[in-house]
Amino acid sequence: SQQGEEDPQALSIQEGENATMNCSYKTSINNLQWYRQNSGRGLVHLILIRSNEREKHSGRLRVTLDTSKKSSSLLITASRAADTASYFCATDQAGTALIFGKGTTLSVSS
Amino acid sequence: GAVVSQHPSWVICKSGTSVKIECRSLDFQATTMFWYRQFPKQSLMLMATSNEGSKATYEQGVEKDKFLINHASLTLSTLTVTSAHPEDSSFYICSARDMVRTDTQYFGPGTRLTVL
Repeated sequence: SQQGEEDPQALSIQEGENATMNCSYKTSINNLQWYRQNSGRGLVHLILIRSNEREKHSGRLRVTLDTSKKSSSLLITASRAADTASYFCATDQAGTALIFGKGTTLSVSS
Repeated sequence: GAVVSQHPSWVICKSGTSVKIECRSLDFQATTMFWYRQFPKQSLMLMATSNEGSKATYEQGVEKDKFLINHASLTLSTLTVTSAHPEDSSFYICSARDMVRTDTQYFGPGTRLTVL
């Protein structure tokens, strides 16, 4: 089962530009998490935002959460070629498995 | 941070054989572990929830007799793909929820299964 959609499905930008990815989900959540996955590799946990939080920062990452709209966004500022990867949001309904969105494939060219 | 390991990291097998994948939480105990499957260029799909000491809970459309799950201890869950076929070729990822920090789920590095 999947919670929802990521938007866009694919994003191509130049180094130095900002990348914004959006995630929508369907049910109430305890928290929402963002992961990165390089091609053929495992998941890397990026950031967790709780349902009572609206915005969170970590380095070049900024995540927002709007529970009324059941949506979240991930902003990567000053992107680098090394940011090229697939990005997934995942929702946690407290005690159950994380449910992943379909993902956004980000390509950053130098 | 907490670590989850998977073994093997990749496996190639002939059609009709069975393959066992192990998932271990190395420095924490997990009453609940999860198994996901990821096909190329797709997202992770939850297959089943593995509960220590009890039967696994399978997601709709996942054959429990084909994907056998055993969660024999608080640090080990195994997934056995029985009578594997080429369509079972996929990336299998496990995760474990820390009993203490219950909002945290740790992922293994994944196992690449290729069935010839």
